[in-house]
Amino acid sequence: NAGVMQNPRHLVRRRGQEARLRCSPMKGHSHVYWYRQLPEEGLKFMVYLQKENIIDESGMPKERFSAEFPKEGPSILRIQQVVRGDSAAYFCASSPSGGRFDEQFFGPGTRLTVL
Amino acid sequence: GENVEQHPSTLSVQEGDSAVIKCTYSDSASNYFPWYKQELGKRPQLIIDIRSNVGEKKDQRIAVTLNKTAKHFSLHITETQPEDSAVYFCAASLNAYSTLTFGKGTMLLVSP
Repeated sequence: NAGVMQNPRHLVRRRGQEARLRCSPMKGHSHVYWYRQLPEEGLKFMVYLQKENIIDESGMPKERFSAEFPKEGPSILRIQQVVRGDSAAYFCASSPSGGRFDEQFFGPGTRLTVL
Repeated sequence: GENVEQHPSTLSVQEGDSAVIKCTYSDSASNYFPWYKQELGKRPQLIIDIRSNVGEKKDQRIAVTLNKTAKHFSLHITETQPEDSAVYFCAASLNAYSTLTFGKGTMLLVSP
């Protein structure tokens, strides 16, 4: 029973390149959340998705960032034209139903470094 | 939107002592308060949570208290052990979609 999977675990990009982060939720989970963690800071909510739907993207920058969770395959967080300030750990979490009291299970994170 | 403040940012204790971490939240509509433990380089893991219809919850050496009137909640760890050393995050859930607002974390160091 695999937990939440994220890949790659480490990603290095040069300024201006694109970063694509993948998240496979736990089996049976249909709700995915993306959080960003800057060094020595807490986790900041970015976006909440169900299959084929974005439910809440209020924490995601309007430009350069996008997210999707297709019917088949992992959820993808895409960052276009990366800048140094995008360097952070990006965690996704999944829950079975997205209910208010559902535990969110976190993946191991993707550590993005922008040179 | 919701704002969660967490104190202290770092906490050093001797093995066997108790540790207390406090959080306050701004939105009285929040009613779910989980605590996550994150070891260095690892994923955050839920260690305990409390809902607004409960004032206190305990699980072995860990307990959480909630004061809805004052809008604050606390994590208590008794008989601390070196393996308790980690960063602890409190969070609050505001809206019906259960997205979490996190505090900035407390780095707990337990010295043997």
